[in-house]
Amino acid sequence: QSVLTQPPSVSGTPGQRVTISCSGSDSTIGRNPVNWYQQLPGTAPRLLIYGSNQRPSGVPERFSGSKSGTSASLAISALQSEDESVYFCSSWDDSPNARWVFGGGTKLTVL
Amino acid sequence: EVQVLDSGGGLVQPGESLRLSCTVSGVTFSHYAMVWVRQAPGKGLEWVSGINGSGGSKYYAASVKGRFTISRQNSMNIMHLQMNDLRADDSAIYYCAKVSDFYYGSGRFDYWGQGALVTVSS
Repeated sequence: QSVLTQPPSVSGTPGQRVTISCSGSDSTIGRNPVNWYQQLPGTAPRLLIYGSNQRPSGVPERFSGSKSGTSASLAISALQSEDESVYFCSSWDDSPNARWVFGGGTKLTVL
Repeated sequence: EVQVLDSGGGLVQPGESLRLSCTVSGVTFSHYAMVWVRQAPGKGLEWVSGINGSGGSKYYAASVKGRFTISRQNSMNIMHLQMNDLRADDSAIYYCAKVSDFYYGSGRFDYWGQGALVTVSS
């Protein structure tokens, strides 16, 4: 049972726009920024979005993030076949049990 | 170029110990916190432990507290995870990752190692 809640899967066709949601609580997303990671099959995770809506250098503009209240979203526009991957959201949990937390991951399938 | 390389995985029996290592190059190592994150086969990511840039503050997930010890040697750009009393549910790929800040609880995991496979089985 992950602390952050993501849908297990989403799908889209090439060129389409898809969104992945991430739901948390006051002590996680409510008071802290959200980071998103992309994990291609058989590889280590890669930072995709940080600070809820910032892209590291090298990440295409097609990827964007947003946050509102205790929820966050990752949007991928102009979907490409190489975007097929698993996406994880993450946030700091500043409750008394201070820790980093992750969502369970969302598998994106490009049809 | 920043590079993160983890090593030390292997097959051990329940109750045994194992030490993972992580070396970082291309940055001033002592300026950044570091973390260990694990991923059981077919599962999601789970944060395991973290340490701030100086090594003075260390943090552990409840599932490993008292069994795992994180440490770092800034003079050698290396971090370790000593894992004792290993259990079957500790089996996972263990990733070390560099944190973008000195402090453990802020920033993001901006560079990851390739992962070290730990299998605990009799």
